[in-house]
Amino acid sequence: NAGVTQTPKFQVLKTGQSMTLQCAQDMNHEYMSWYRQDPGMGLRLIHYSVGAGITDQGEVPNGYNVSRSTTEDFPLRLLSAAPSQTSVYFCTPDSGTGTYEQYFGPGTRLTVT
Amino acid sequence: RKEVEQDPGPFNVPEGATVAFNCTYSNSASQSFFWYRQDCRKEPKLLMSVYSSGNEDGRFTAQLNRASQYISLLIRDSKLSDSATYLCAVSPRGYQKVTFGTGTKLQVIP
Repeated sequence: NAGVTQTPKFQVLKTGQSMTLQCAQDMNHEYMSWYRQDPGMGLRLIHYSVGAGITDQGEVPNGYNVSRSTTEDFPLRLLSAAPSQTSVYFCTPDSGTGTYEQYFGPGTRLTVT
Repeated sequence: RKEVEQDPGPFNVPEGATVAFNCTYSNSASQSFFWYRQDCRKEPKLLMSVYSSGNEDGRFTAQLNRASQYISLLIRDSKLSDSATYLCAVSPRGYQKVTFGTGTKLQVIP
């Protein structure tokens, strides 16, 4: 996953706290997405962006915000953390050439107590 | 019915064996298909795309059966290092519609 960084790698939050998960890529990919992965649920799309300034909702957007001010960065904000948001979060840049092949960042493991 | 379904396994196979996984999808308009490999506590990594004509990469062969709406992954001469969870992904149309299966776990035994 060279070219994609996610920070932090691990995070513990208390219910009601807010935080931002960072994702940065240096591959100059137009498309970026955030997924969460939960046991038995698979990967579910939270938000995605097809370019700077353009974002849209995925399958499970509630409780999360995103913005895309640059091609490189796509932060995911948890507004008021809930235990249901305990998950592993992956950022995936995509070249946007129409192949829809996803290249995942290393992930952030979030626990909300 | 789930959009994309996989047998969770685990599939326990001896080294050198051939193993095959299927992944069924419900949307007949699906156009793009993929297999990913995910090691324990790691991110998924793209293994291969699945084309209408099939796709082969070394010991791995992926095929698409549109009539029955499934994709398959065949692994020949299994290695211990093939032990992982294999995820399928399907996209009917458009980037935002990629749907992942929950994965099939493979354990290759010495």
